[in-house]
Amino acid sequence: EIVLTQSPATLSLSPGERVTLSCRASQSVTSHLVWYQQKPGQAPRLFIYEASNRATGIPARFSGSGSGTDFTLTISSLEPEDFAVYYCQQRGIWPLTFGGGTKVEL
Amino acid sequence: EVQLLESGGGLVQPGGSLRLSCAASGFTFSSYAMSWVRQAPGKGLEWVSSISASGGSTYYVDSVKGRFTISRDNSKNTLHVQMNSLRAEDTAVYYCAKDLTVGRWDAFDIWGQGTMVTVSS
Repeated sequence: EIVLTQSPATLSLSPGERVTLSCRASQSVTSHLVWYQQKPGQAPRLFIYEASNRATGIPARFSGSGSGTDFTLTISSLEPEDFAVYYCQQRGIWPLTFGGGTKVEL
Repeated sequence: EVQLLESGGGLVQPGGSLRLSCAASGFTFSSYAMSWVRQAPGKGLEWVSSISASGGSTYYVDSVKGRFTISRDNSKNTLHVQMNSLRAEDTAVYYCAKDLTVGRWDAFDIWGQGTMVTVSS
């Protein structure tokens, strides 16, 4: 099973700041890495697929990068609605696995 | 509007069974792989099971193999998971999710609102 390690677990930031979230895989998943956002009481929402492709309706301030084992989700300038938990997920090898999440808080 | 609506959750005793359903609308259900993902209270996301568009291929996380069975009825646009021999550690919100792309396994682009399963005596 591929283990995804997200760091840091929590980020305390202010609106307007640049954010970099990390997701490291225990073995290569090539580009099959996905990012989701989840807010309290809501279902997750697809943000980035295939490591760097923004999903429909996702603002351009979000970008994904990486391949193999190291991936990054970057928010160029935090907006109030971006405070949430972000999960990475690998879709390269069964069983599918999620990282433990990074909480971006105010 | 593309929509997934789960049902069937509830309180069940350890060792009991439950069948969750997910009604799909707004897209060609039979063209997309579907999955179940769960989230224990206060915890992260855990993939549970996936089924191909035709239903011919299924995958499970090890912790539910032999206890859970995923299935789909493409004539009724409905996804199911039959959960047997339930354990306390199966307590979670269960989400159904649709794959992004026709014809191949992909990211989950549409999620239901979730249904709560509580396993407790």
